[in-house]
Order: sequence, then C-alpha cells, then structure tokens
Amino acid sequence: GAVVSQHPSRVICKSGTSVKIECRSLDFQATTMFWYRQFPKKSLMLMATSNEGSKATYEQGVEKDKFLINHASLTLSTLTVTSAHPEDSSFYICSAFLAGGTDTQYFGPGTRLTVL
Amino acid sequence: EDQVTQSPEALRLQEGESSSLNCSYTVSGLRGLFWYRQDPGKGPEFLFTLYSAGEEKEKERLKATLTKKESFLHITAPKPEDSATYLCAVPNNAGNMLTFGGGTRLMVKP
Repeated sequence: GAVVSQHPSRVICKSGTSVKIECRSLDFQATTMFWYRQFPKKSLMLMATSNEGSKATYEQGVEKDKFLINHASLTLSTLTVTSAHPEDSSFYICSAFLAGGTDTQYFGPGTRLTVL
Repeated sequence: EDQVTQSPEALRLQEGESSSLNCSYTVSGLRGLFWYRQDPGKGPEFLFTLYSAGEEKEKERLKATLTKKESFLHITAPKPEDSATYLCAVPNNAGNMLTFGGGTRLMVKP
C-alpha cells in the first residue's frame, strides 16, 4: 500500500515552454502533498506544500508564478513549470502525506526535467 | 529550528562488512524520526519510523535505533544491492512536513 505515482518520469522541453507534472496517490487519499526539487548528489529541497482545495504554500525563494501548483482532488496534485529555462532543469519529486497512525510521507518516483 | 545532520556523507564497504550510519537531530519536541532509502534517479522509499528513545526496528539487513539525540541505521553483512543513499528526517510540530539530513551515500563492493 501507500503508492505514489508521478507522470511523466522524464521530460525534455524547449526554453520558454510550460511543463506539467502530475502526482497521484494511488491507494490512499492525501489532503497534503509536497513538491521537492533535488540537485545532483544533494538532499531534497522542499519547494511547496500543496493542500487539497486551497492555495499552495511556497517555501522562501520559490517563485509561485513560475511553479504553479494545483491540488484539485484528494489523490492528485500538479506542478506546472511555466516558461521553463535551462536553470529549471532538475529532478522534481512529489510526496503524499498519509495522515493517521504513522503520519508518513510517501514519495513518488520523481520526474527528470531537462530544458534545452 | 529543527536540524538534522547525517554522517558520514559517503561510506564504502566490502560486501559482508557491517557498519552504521548516524543521524543526529535537534528538535523542539520529537514527533518521530524517519529513515528512507533513495536509489539514483528514484524517489525516496520509506523504511522506518521511530518514535521514542530505545525503540528499534528491523528490515532484512537493516536495523534502526533511536536515542534522545541521534539515530543509527545498522547494516549487517551488506550486499551490493544495499548500495543507495540513506536519508533520515524529522517532522515538524504539525507532523506533516519533514526536515531532511544531507544523506549518506552507501556503496557496497562485491
């Protein structure tokens, strides 16, 4: 149980285009999901907290207009990288929070974004 | 502010050579300590949650222990497939946001 999926797993796009990444909790409902960014050989950096039915909370230094987050249902959150530039190339990982009991974050497999 | 420090940053072991990874933490009130395993190009995989000092949990060759200031991940007779980055994390007061350590990259040579 507690499976989180992400789609796509890899995406290559041209500079200036927008890219949408989906994060789904497959076998549980998650009122809270999180989006992380990870640079090579570094730990996870929290970008934003996504709450179902309300606006996302962004960490300091993360541009909310560039990284649009929507949490439309209890099993789906999306991250849209708008007007992507090469410096946005990174590994993006989502997690879904399973509340009650162990209160554990379960992570998706990640999405590798490359902006040319 | 919660702080989590992992050591060593990298650890090379021969197959069968047991060792331990350390996770030191400073929190206002511990609501649990999480261990994850991350393979290259993948998301972290949940391993254990520990809640109180003295607690231990095991999974195959891994055993996690917890004291009031640190946690250890003991790896007994590791195999090459245990090679990965191991992350520890503590939740915030609300219990839903994690502060991660920098991770320990474990490499097990056959």
